[in-house]
Amino acid sequence: DTGVSQDPRHKITKRGQNVTFRCDPISEHNRLYWYRQTLGQGPEFLTYFQNEAQLEKSRLLSDRFSAERPKGSFSTLEIQRTEQGDSAMYLCASSLVRDPTSLGYSYEQYFGPGTRLTVT
Amino acid sequence: GENVEQHPSTLSVQEGDSAVIKCTYSDSASNYFPWYKQELGKRPQLIIDIRSNVGEKKDQRIAVTLNKTAKHFSLHITETQPEDSAVYFCAVDNFNKFYFGSGTKLNVKP
Repeated sequence: DTGVSQDPRHKITKRGQNVTFRCDPISEHNRLYWYRQTLGQGPEFLTYFQNEAQLEKSRLLSDRFSAERPKGSFSTLEIQRTEQGDSAMYLCASSLVRDPTSLGYSYEQYFGPGTRLTVT
Repeated sequence: GENVEQHPSTLSVQEGDSAVIKCTYSDSASNYFPWYKQELGKRPQLIIDIRSNVGEKKDQRIAVTLNKTAKHFSLHITETQPEDSAVYFCAVDNFNKFYFGSGTKLNVKP
């Protein structure tokens, strides 16, 4: 499967614990996004990377959330001191940006299957 | 930021009929408008997209129209089939951040 993959697919944790999710984008895709999706809602932007650089984070994103993409390939999303309100589907998406300097041009995103987090 | 509204939230049509889903956005600088289909328990799948320099785009039974002046765009599905049943999301790219509508659950009755 050459699509975007995410691991784990499901995670159940107790309130207060830390969790880490991994996303592997499509090979050679240089842009990577993280989203959160709750039941009955559309994906909500969290952050995105161009190669290894984290270019933007949502202002709604708590300091308990951190994301990395150390080598410009896979990415991790960590949630510290989880709360019940963190329960959601966490989606990753990637795209191939042919000209990163062309800020006004948009590229198709391809989503991973998501990691469903349940905080008890 | 961007504010995206999507209507209707649910849509039920008879097989063979057409379905139309509408989205509005707030920032005239937004320039890319994809539509995604999400089946239950699956990832969102891009089905069609349109850029701000185009007014309409068609791909077989699916079309999207964009009215930049009014800041709204619509998804049109003709000759609907039961396999079209899913949740559809519109999205707006605003300076490389994607804002999604709240989704439309489409039910195609055989």
